[in-house]
Amino acid sequence: DTAVSQTPKYLVTQMGNDKSIKCEQNLGHDTMYWYKQDSKKFLKIMFSYNNKELIINETVPNRFSPKSPDKAHLNLHINSLELGDSAVYFCASSQDLGGGYGYTFGSGTRLTVV
Amino acid sequence: DAKTTQPTSMDCAEGRAANLPCNHSTISGNEYVYWYRQIHSQGPQYIIHGLKNNETNEMASLIITEDRKSSTLILPHATLRDTAVYYCIVLFSGGYNKLIFGAGTRLAVHP
Repeated sequence: DTAVSQTPKYLVTQMGNDKSIKCEQNLGHDTMYWYKQDSKKFLKIMFSYNNKELIINETVPNRFSPKSPDKAHLNLHINSLELGDSAVYFCASSQDLGGGYGYTFGSGTRLTVV
Repeated sequence: DAKTTQPTSMDCAEGRAANLPCNHSTISGNEYVYWYRQIHSQGPQYIIHGLKNNETNEMASLIITEDRKSSTLILPHATLRDTAVYYCIVLFSGGYNKLIFGAGTRLAVHP
């Protein structure tokens, strides 16, 4: 039973399209995150959510709109996709905002914009 | 959060201990040292964390110097599957934290 699951695993789409990535965690954690890993392999935090509420938006363009219907789910919708959005997107969760017990990451969604 | 410095890359022979160093000279008293790793194409994986005492779990050991300015992650018997990028991260205890990844150390375990 996967702790943090993301769908789809791969996504290829054309510039200008709108796409969504879904994330679910079955760990009972309160806090969820989206990270982006670009071609240079740096992992950058995008959003933090706690109990469905947005805590931090790390200066991500407003074409990216996360939505958390409940604390077990955090989806990422991207409008008007650009070439620079091509990356691997990781969802993660932690027990609380402090993250002191460690983060659990999903296996990633590889987004390719052509 | 305090910054960390790690070597860019390291090699280790299979079956030997891999010792990965990390400098965090500006760490404050209530900041923990965390280690994560990312095996190729997978999501990062939590390994271990500690405050000032040495810690051990089924994956690794963490040795923190007495002045807490540096630490070493030890994989006692490295296997090929331990080839990954290892990240040393300092996190404040309590309140809101965000896990910030640096460049990490690329560990290559060879036969």
